[in-house]
Amino acid sequence: GESVGLHLPTLSVQEGDNSIINCAYSNSASDYFIWYKQESGKGPQFIIDIRSNMDKRQGQRVTVLLNKTVKHLSLQIAATQPGDSAVYFCAERVSAAGNKLTFGGGTRVLVKP
Amino acid sequence: DSGVTQTPKHLITATGQRVTLRCSPRSGDLSVYWYQQSLDQGLQFLIQYYNGEERAKGNILERFSAQQFPDLHSELNLSSLELGDSALYFCASSVAPDRAGNTIYFGEGSWLTVV
Repeated sequence: GESVGLHLPTLSVQEGDNSIINCAYSNSASDYFIWYKQESGKGPQFIIDIRSNMDKRQGQRVTVLLNKTVKHLSLQIAATQPGDSAVYFCAERVSAAGNKLTFGGGTRVLVKP
Repeated sequence: DSGVTQTPKHLITATGQRVTLRCSPRSGDLSVYWYQQSLDQGLQFLIQYYNGEERAKGNILERFSAQQFPDLHSELNLSSLELGDSALYFCASSVAPDRAGNTIYFGEGSWLTVV
């Protein structure tokens, strides 16, 4: 399938290096945040989430950092692999307003061998 | 595989026509969401259902409608189609609608091209 969002910001990273993807969110009332990965022709795939009462959460090779003061979220991928090439979206939610997610614009990650 | 199933995967239709996109949520999930992904708008929330009832509405056009059936599958109906409706339409599901930490899983999407 085609890729959507052809004019996304792009992060080029060497295989084996660490990647950092940044996201600025807009709603100070948001209390839950998720990172999704979208490969070409596929649906968004859940990577990791974090609640607003935390500032860091680690998964397998991924870490999410949350800075509520400046409304900033980041996703760190350790030892980036070719399979990590994809578009990454952050999403925010105000739990009191239901489970509707508001997505950021996305960042394309290209892993160079 | 997220467990969310969408059909059809690809659809080409003419302006003015009507199409129906179908979604089966993950087993056990009661809540279904529809999102539209286009080149210039990114991922936009359209509508959410929980156990057959509409729960939240986003930027869904009046020409579009959806419903969730007793067996929990959902359909998104798009009518009087325009060229600008060409996009990827995603269905997603979760166990319940409101609890924090309630992961939303996405299907593979339905590519709609209006010509």
